[in-house]
Amino acid sequence: NAGVTQTPKFQVLKTGQSMTLQCAQDMNHEYMSWYRQDPGMGLRLIHYSVGAGITDQGEVPNGYNVSRSTTEDFPLRLLSAAPSQTSVYFCASSYPGAGTEAFFGQGTRLTVV
Amino acid sequence: RKEVEQDPGPFNVPEGATVAFNCTYSNSASQSFFWYRQDCRKEPKLLMSVYSSGNEDGRFTAQLNRASQYISLLIRDSKLSDSATYLCVVISGDSSYKLIFGSGTRLLVRP
Repeated sequence: NAGVTQTPKFQVLKTGQSMTLQCAQDMNHEYMSWYRQDPGMGLRLIHYSVGAGITDQGEVPNGYNVSRSTTEDFPLRLLSAAPSQTSVYFCASSYPGAGTEAFFGQGTRLTVV
Repeated sequence: RKEVEQDPGPFNVPEGATVAFNCTYSNSASQSFFWYRQDCRKEPKLLMSVYSSGNEDGRFTAQLNRASQYISLLIRDSKLSDSATYLCVVISGDSSYKLIFGSGTRLLVRP
């Protein structure tokens, strides 16, 4: 049972480059989300999705795009990487609703130089 | 003001000590409450849910006070393996069910 799979685990980008962080889950969870975590800070929500075809912005959406064409996949796109986007990114999935456990991917460590 | 606030620590305690972490949340409509554990450079994992009646899982006890909008986690008989960052998590009070994270409290248990 793979759970939530994120790729890549590490990435270095040059300023202005674009890339896509992949996230896939095999638990048939409707709810998926992307977070970034910076030193000394908790996880901040970038974008989330309550089901295929539905996405919404979180706390820090600028510079990121998402799409949800299937229940399983929720890729995060960096349109034009900036040093301020250097961070650790986590994807999570869960059943929607109160009281449900969220499962996280192993994270992607992104450095923008 | 952050929606979920925690003391960042670090809490540095000897093995066997009892340690308590606190967390406050600002949105009275928040629906559900959790403690997650995050080891260094790893993903967060659910430690336990938090209920108004209080709940216990071995050496861990979690408590929720809705009137004061306050959540606590008590760890008894600390082990070296308890060293980690503990994240207070609240599910938003609207229909989005967003998870709102505190910045985490770091615990170091020394021999």
